[in-house]
Amino acid sequence: NIVMTQSPKSMSISVGDRVTMNCKASQNVYNNIAWYQQKPGQSPKLLIYYASNRYNGVPDRFTGSGYGTDFTLTINSVQAEDAAFYYCQRIYNSPRTFGGGTKLELK
Amino acid sequence: QVQLKESGPGLVQPSQTLSLTCTVSGFSLTSYNVHWVRQPPGKGLEWMGVIWSGGNTDYNSALKPRLSISRDTSKSQVFLTMNSLQTEDTGIYYCNRNGADWGQGTLVTVSS
Repeated sequence: NIVMTQSPKSMSISVGDRVTMNCKASQNVYNNIAWYQQKPGQSPKLLIYYASNRYNGVPDRFTGSGYGTDFTLTINSVQAEDAAFYYCQRIYNSPRTFGGGTKLELK
Repeated sequence: QVQLKESGPGLVQPSQTLSLTCTVSGFSLTSYNVHWVRQPPGKGLEWMGVIWSGGNTDYNSALKPRLSISRDTSKSQVFLTMNSLQTEDTGIYYCNRNGADWGQGTLVTVSS
């Protein structure tokens, strides 16, 4: 089974900074990656699908990139409301494995 | 608009069987896939399985021996059944439509 590894596990960022978090697949998943944001007590929300496509209503400060085994979620000019957990997930094929998540905290 | 809502018993005794229902509205189960995802307290997301729009299913290999997903298209409901529950199965259980629309989740506690 494909393993999805996210790094870093946590990061502390100031409002206005640029953030980059990573997701590495143990095998080639082409562009079949989604990114989710989850705040405490809430369901996950889809941000990015097929590696780089922003979902409906997602602010354009969120950008996804990558192909094959290495993927990146970038948040330009982080806002206070971006404090959350972020998860990548392999999509299109099964199993649809999630990464372990990255916790984004605001200073 | 698209909605999904999970429902279930809340508390299940160890070794017993869990039965959850995901009731959907705003779309047809014959046109969209529905996934189940769970989250232990304070931990990350785990994909459990999917019922495809055509009715076939796929499961997380670690859960496959004790997991079943089915549906009743006439009632717009998807069912999750998992047997031999243990304390580590405690968590929030979510259903979602292709990752884009999620239910609020239902908390399942496995305890005697």
